[in-house]
Amino acid sequence: AQKVTQAQTEISVVEKEDVTLDCVYETRDTTYYLFWYKQPPSGELVFLIRRNSFDEQNEISGRYSWNFQKSTSSFNFTITASQVVDSAVYFCALKETSGSRLTFGEGTQLTVNP
Amino acid sequence: DSGVTQTPKHLITATGQRVTLRCSPRSGDLSVYWYQQSLDQGLQFLIQYYNGEERAKGNILERFSAQQFPDLHSELNLSSLELGDSALYFCASSVLDRAGNTIYFGEGSWLTVV
Repeated sequence: AQKVTQAQTEISVVEKEDVTLDCVYETRDTTYYLFWYKQPPSGELVFLIRRNSFDEQNEISGRYSWNFQKSTSSFNFTITASQVVDSAVYFCALKETSGSRLTFGEGTQLTVNP
Repeated sequence: DSGVTQTPKHLITATGQRVTLRCSPRSGDLSVYWYQQSLDQGLQFLIQYYNGEERAKGNILERFSAQQFPDLHSELNLSSLELGDSALYFCASSVLDRAGNTIYFGEGSWLTVV
């Protein structure tokens, strides 16, 4: 069965620091999809990125970057020069081709202090 | 704004009561999902509908039911409510029922059972 682990329950940084959120996954599928979502204090779940298992290119979007390593089953998320508005819970999720549901990790609470 | 609309945003009800949560998917999306987020269980998949038909079931209690109507909006019915049903209920949608489709979430309905 699929599983997503976010070992960091809480991270606290000072504004402008870089921070990396870890995500490790387990799946038997050879093709699968990985996602990151952000949940700010207001509660909504905001989609950030989707990555296919057959595309191991890292991606950068502004201050956000993602490092996908199939060999270690990891899909880590880095925020560069963090800002107070980045404070949120961040979820990593997995979707296998054998099903359409998302399996979420436990989430990492990121607090960026001014 | 994800384009997924959920109502009501907040509701408080008593144990034993019944409530209905409503969801309008993004324009053009055929697949609707319901997730429950509670402090002890995290984000749990409840059920999925695709173009009006039930497609997948997760950890949905027998006291809960859902349906998707011809206009593609969906309702989640929660009955005989218990204190433990207090949670944030998300509706989400995707274009089709393929693993590679991104799932977009609404802002959630906060349910408090007293």
